[in-house]
Amino acid sequence: DIQMTQSPSSLSASVGDRVTITCRASQGITNYLAWYHQKPGKAPELLIYAASTLQSGVPSRFSGSGSGTHFTLTISSLQPEDVGTYYCQKYNRALITFGGGTKVEI
Amino acid sequence: QVQLVESGGGVVQPGRSLRLSCAASGFTFSGYGMHWVRQAPGKGLEWVAVIWYDASNKYYTDSVKGRFTISRDNSKNTLYLQMNSLTAEDTAVYYCARASSRGYSYGDYWGQGTLVTVSS
Repeated sequence: DIQMTQSPSSLSASVGDRVTITCRASQGITNYLAWYHQKPGKAPELLIYAASTLQSGVPSRFSGSGSGTHFTLTISSLQPEDVGTYYCQKYNRALITFGGGTKVEI
Repeated sequence: QVQLVESGGGVVQPGRSLRLSCAASGFTFSGYGMHWVRQAPGKGLEWVAVIWYDASNKYYTDSVKGRFTISRDNSKNTLYLQMNSLTAEDTAVYYCARASSRGYSYGDYWGQGTLVTVSS
């Protein structure tokens, strides 16, 4: 099974900071990679799919890049509403796997 | 607008069964695959199962194979998760999510979840 490893597991940053989260796959998954944001007590929300395509309605400060085994999620200017946990997810096959999550605090 | 509403959660004793439902509206339910994803208290997301738009294919994570069954009734716009032989490790919030395609894919819309607590 393909494992998804996120780093860091948590981070603290200031409003306006540039934040980068990394997700690594144990095997190549081309660009079958999605990113989600989960606010405390809420359901996850899709941010990015196909590694770099922004979901409709998601602010442009979010961006994704990468392919194969190395992927990044970048928040260009951290906002207070961006707190919560971010998850990557691979979906290249029917057995879907999430990364362990990155908790973002301000 | 797309809406997914889970129900059926609650407290259940170990070894017993429970069936979750996910009522869908705001889109053509029969045209999309559907997922169940769970989250144990204080833990990360764990994918549980996926069903194709026409129920022709179903896949499960290893920890629930043989115990859980995903199904759907396209005439009722409803997704189900039959959970048997429950253990404490199944305690979690269970979310349904719409796949972005007819089969497996990322989840583009999610319900708010229903809590399942397995405890004696």
